[in-house]
Amino acid sequence: DTAVSQTPKYLVTQMGNDKSIKCEQNLGHDTMYWYKQDSKKFLKIMFSYNNKELIINETVPNRFSPKSPDKAHLNLHINSLELGDSAVYFCASSQDPGTETQYFGPGTRLLVL
Amino acid sequence: GESVGLHLPTLSVQEGDNSIINCAYSNSASDYFIWYKQESGKGPQFIIDIRSNMDKRQGQRVTVLLNKTVKHLSLQIAATQPGDSAVYFCAEKSNNNDMRFGAGTRLTVKP
Repeated sequence: DTAVSQTPKYLVTQMGNDKSIKCEQNLGHDTMYWYKQDSKKFLKIMFSYNNKELIINETVPNRFSPKSPDKAHLNLHINSLELGDSAVYFCASSQDPGTETQYFGPGTRLLVL
Repeated sequence: GESVGLHLPTLSVQEGDNSIINCAYSNSASDYFIWYKQESGKGPQFIIDIRSNMDKRQGQRVTVLLNKTVKHLSLQIAATQPGDSAVYFCAEKSNNNDMRFGAGTRLTVKP
C-alpha cells in the first residue's frame, strides 16, 4: 500500500492557468507538508499543516494555497501559473509537528509552458 | 544566512568500496539531523538520523557521524552497491521545528 500518494504524477500546462495537485496519506499522521524541488534538486519547504496550524514559508507566493478537506489530505492549489513554477512538488507527512521523520510522496512533475 | 550545504555535489565510487558523503551546516541551534536518499523519479526516503547529543549512529551498512565542533555531518555507506546510486540529502532541524534540506550529493556506483 502506498503511504503517501500524489496525483497527477506529471502536469503540463500553460502560463496563467490554475491547477491543483492532490496528496493523500494513509499513515494516520497529523501533519502534512508541501515541498518544491527545483532543477538542481534543492528541496524547499512551502507549507506545513496540521488540524491546528498552517505554517507558510514566507517566500512562497500567495498564488499557492494548501487546502485540507480532512486530516488525510492536503491539496496544493496554484493560481496564475508562471514559468518559474516548473519544478517537482513533493507532499510529505509526519506523525505530528514535532516528529522529525517525514514520509514523502512520489512527487508531481509540473511543467509550465 | 544560515544554511545546510554539501562539500561534494557528485561522488562516483566502485561497487564494493565504502562511500562517504559530507554535509556542512551553520545553525548551531540545530538539534536533529536526517539523511535522506532520493532515487531517480521518486521522493526522498529516510535513511538514518542522529540527535545532537550523539556523535555517531549506525544502521544497516550506513553510519552517520556528527561533529558539532566544526558543524559537520557525514554519511558512510559500507560496501556500496549499485542500488545505492541516488541523490543523498542531509537535513537539519532547529529547535523551532524548522526542517531545512541541503543541496544534495549524487552518488554513482560503478560496477
